[in-house]
Amino acid sequence: DGGITQSPKYLFRKEGQNVTLSCEQNLNHDAMYWYRQDPGQGLRLIYYSQIVNDFQKGDIAEGYSVSREKKESFPLTVTSAQKNPTAFYLCASSLDRGRVGGYTFGSGTRLTVV
Amino acid sequence: SQQGEEDPQALSIQEGENATMNCSYKTSINNLQWYRQNSGRGLVHLILIRSNEREKHSGRLRVTLDTSKKSSSLLITASRAADTASYFCATDSVQGGSEKLVFGKGTKLTVNP
Repeated sequence: DGGITQSPKYLFRKEGQNVTLSCEQNLNHDAMYWYRQDPGQGLRLIYYSQIVNDFQKGDIAEGYSVSREKKESFPLTVTSAQKNPTAFYLCASSLDRGRVGGYTFGSGTRLTVV
Repeated sequence: SQQGEEDPQALSIQEGENATMNCSYKTSINNLQWYRQNSGRGLVHLILIRSNEREKHSGRLRVTLDTSKKSSSLLITASRAADTASYFCATDSVQGGSEKLVFGKGTKLTVNP
């Protein structure tokens, strides 16, 4: 089955610690995205990548970093510089930038600072 | 940057009734998409309507788009308890020089059996 896999499902981070969220897709999609969702809120774009080895900042990139070394993978690192990282993180991918079939989302990673 | 705004924020109906959710946006768009999110899960793409289309159907879903009013509506007919979820509109437009898909805050739909 084709799809997007996010791991882990739940992640706990201590103050001052960097953590990395995994996102893997086998849909052969060129574009991949990371969104953050806070309770009762919509999705806010953190980073996106339209091709391998290239990525762009979204609306709330501060405190986050990404890499796109392979087409299938787009990991997100939440650094210690992100002061309020507790949120639900969603990874998505799209063919043709979502103009035809929309975005395909993973099932999310819930990050909590302890 | 918030583009789409859904209305109402929450909607509670009985099974078998129709559910209508609205979305308003501010700038010109390439297309508008509707997504569904079950609690604690990822979003699922429901339907995409292009800026030159006025109405689109998919099963029990009907989407309309009025570009003059910068608004869209999602109608779910003959609702079922399994339709209980949050529904988001997302607008595909050029913002800040780059093309983006921007999501609203969603409408939380509860369908009571």
